[in-house]
Amino acid sequence: GENVEQHPSTLSVQEGDSAVIKCTYSDSASNYFPWYKQELGKGPQLIIDIRSNVGEKKDQRIAVTLNKTAKHFSLHITETQPEDSAVYFCAATQANAGGTSYGKLTFGQGTILTVHP
Amino acid sequence: DAGVTQSPTHLIKTRGQHVTLRCSPISGHKSVSWYQQVLGQGPQFIFQYYEKEERGRGNFPDRFSARQFPNYSSELNVNALLLGDSALYLCASSGRSGTGREQYFGPGTRLTVT
Repeated sequence: GENVEQHPSTLSVQEGDSAVIKCTYSDSASNYFPWYKQELGKGPQLIIDIRSNVGEKKDQRIAVTLNKTAKHFSLHITETQPEDSAVYFCAATQANAGGTSYGKLTFGQGTILTVHP
Repeated sequence: DAGVTQSPTHLIKTRGQHVTLRCSPISGHKSVSWYQQVLGQGPQFIFQYYEKEERGRGNFPDRFSARQFPNYSSELNVNALLLGDSALYLCASSGRSGTGREQYFGPGTRLTVT
């Protein structure tokens, strides 16, 4: 099955700096890669996603890049703000997979991002 | 519009007991997935239901079961609770035909087994 590794486990930056979180996946059949932000006491919030036919996607201060050959994808947050502080999770899935993996997102271990004012 | 809702928010049970957790998806979404999140880890996939049928199942024992109702809400049932079942149980809904894409999570139910 799919395995997703996420680094770093913790990341501390100053307000205004950029933050980068990296993930690698094992299953070359995976073709959909979402990123989630989870604040304390809340469920994960989908912040951006990318499909395997796209190399990069941007949404304001957030961007995601995907390297299918190397099987890794990254989240880039620019001009970080204290409210960006949270746990960030990457995930991977094979959209339209059959069998028991149907609809299954495989998550990384999470990155605790702290943005200092 | 209301997001995914889950009830109850918190629950404390004793080993050996049974628990039922409930989820209402975003209006118009027909797919519901359940995940277990142990403290300090990423969510682990338990089930996906689409159009009231089980479509995906993770590596969880048969003590875990679920169902989806005609209004697309869902229940997760866990029998014979173990201490290791203590976790945040998350429900996610998707309007993307149950493919796994664009899953939106609820706030979760915090289950504590003593």
